[in-house]
Amino acid sequence: DAGITQSPRHKVTETGTPVTLRCHQTENHRYMYWYRQDPGHGLRLIHYSYGVKDTDKGEVSDGYSVSRSKTEDFLLTLESATSSQTSVYFCAISESDGQPHREQYFGPGTRLTVT
Amino acid sequence: KNEVEQSPQNLTAQEGEFITINCSYSVGISALHWLQQHPGGGIVSLFMLSSGKKKHGRLIATINIQEKHSSLHITASHPRDSAVYICAVRGTGNQFYFGTGTSLTVIP
Repeated sequence: DAGITQSPRHKVTETGTPVTLRCHQTENHRYMYWYRQDPGHGLRLIHYSYGVKDTDKGEVSDGYSVSRSKTEDFLLTLESATSSQTSVYFCAISESDGQPHREQYFGPGTRLTVT
Repeated sequence: KNEVEQSPQNLTAQEGEFITINCSYSVGISALHWLQQHPGGGIVSLFMLSSGKKKHGRLIATINIQEKHSSLHITASHPRDSAVYICAVRGTGNQFYFGTGTSLTVIP
């Protein structure tokens, strides 16, 4: 198994509070991704990173920010959580885009409930 | 718009049956992935392919690049195959696009 951990694994928070989810990898992969998974939708990309301090938005980035200060850590922050951000969040990693057939490896997921 | 479409959405089979899950996509791709997600949420990669066919045990994945279509077959299905199967494609950029998944239940 690829070395990817997510923390916390479960969180319940109130509307309007800030929340930070952490993804940690031990594989030294260049690319890291944050997805959310909701019933009726496929995994949807929130943000991704292609290197330290290099990030870009995905299709559902509104209300989320990310930071990557080290290769191994990719943080997802909800500045002011809303009920629509209740979801399961998955982190994934992938090797360099220089080799396009690289696989994506997923973390175990974080279940976030915003009340 | 969905770049990746899967069918069927739900599938129930008797143990031992041959199962096919289909995936069609509308974007240019560098690779296609089949993922498995068990109840409890963990996602694992089953196959990554860009042409032809791959086989792992009872699982077979095929892709037709010209038709932008892939199939995942399970031979001699077993209750432990019950899971959600997700088709994903890696576009020609850095992003992945995911289908909504096929929920498979195999009844003993």
